[in-house]
Amino acid sequence: DAGVTQSPTHLIKTRGQQVTLRCSPKSGHDTVSWYQQALGQGPQFIFQYYEEEERQRGNFPDRFSGHQFPNYSSELNVNALLLGDSALYLCASSSLLQGLGGVLTFGAGSRLTVL
Amino acid sequence: AQSVTQPDIHITVSEGASLELRCNYSYGATPYLFWYVQSPGQGLQLLLKYFSGDTLVQGIKGFEAEFKRSQSSFNLRKPSVHWSDAAEYFCAVGAGQAGTALIFGKGTTLSVSS
Repeated sequence: DAGVTQSPTHLIKTRGQQVTLRCSPKSGHDTVSWYQQALGQGPQFIFQYYEEEERQRGNFPDRFSGHQFPNYSSELNVNALLLGDSALYLCASSSLLQGLGGVLTFGAGSRLTVL
Repeated sequence: AQSVTQPDIHITVSEGASLELRCNYSYGATPYLFWYVQSPGQGLQLLLKYFSGDTLVQGIKGFEAEFKRSQSSFNLRKPSVHWSDAAEYFCAVGAGQAGTALIFGKGTTLSVSS
């Protein structure tokens, strides 16, 4: 049973560019959440998608946007990249339908470096 | 505001010795509490969770944690540490809708000496 898969694993961008990160949730999961983990810090909640809609959002600017597709996969988009956006971006899936929305299965992450 | 504090940034334990990692939370209602472990180059893996009921919860890999409401704590313990336990450990509290938006602490790095 495949877990959460994320792509790409590493990428380098320059300031002002845009980036798209992709996530396929664990089989049977209906909810996808995105977290940003800066170096030496704990993950910070960006937003959560369920039924193709953004359900909750953390304290992140509108430059961060997302999408969930009918097959439950998700994308995270970041526009106008800043140096401070350099981080490990983690996708996590869960099952709200099973009442286990807080029990997350994490992917290995996409490491974004902004130069 | 909801928050999680892990007071110890780095802990070194001898192999075979016992371990306790501290976690304090700030949350208005009955919290959902979690411990996750992160090994280098890997995502976070759930060790254990507390939603309600018995305040001593058992997890994977021989870990356990005790919820103490009076102390707002959820400390992680293991009676005998193995070298493979060296990793980053994160405590988290469930916030937002149905407690599904996790707030993480900054983590504790565990080193195991032989």
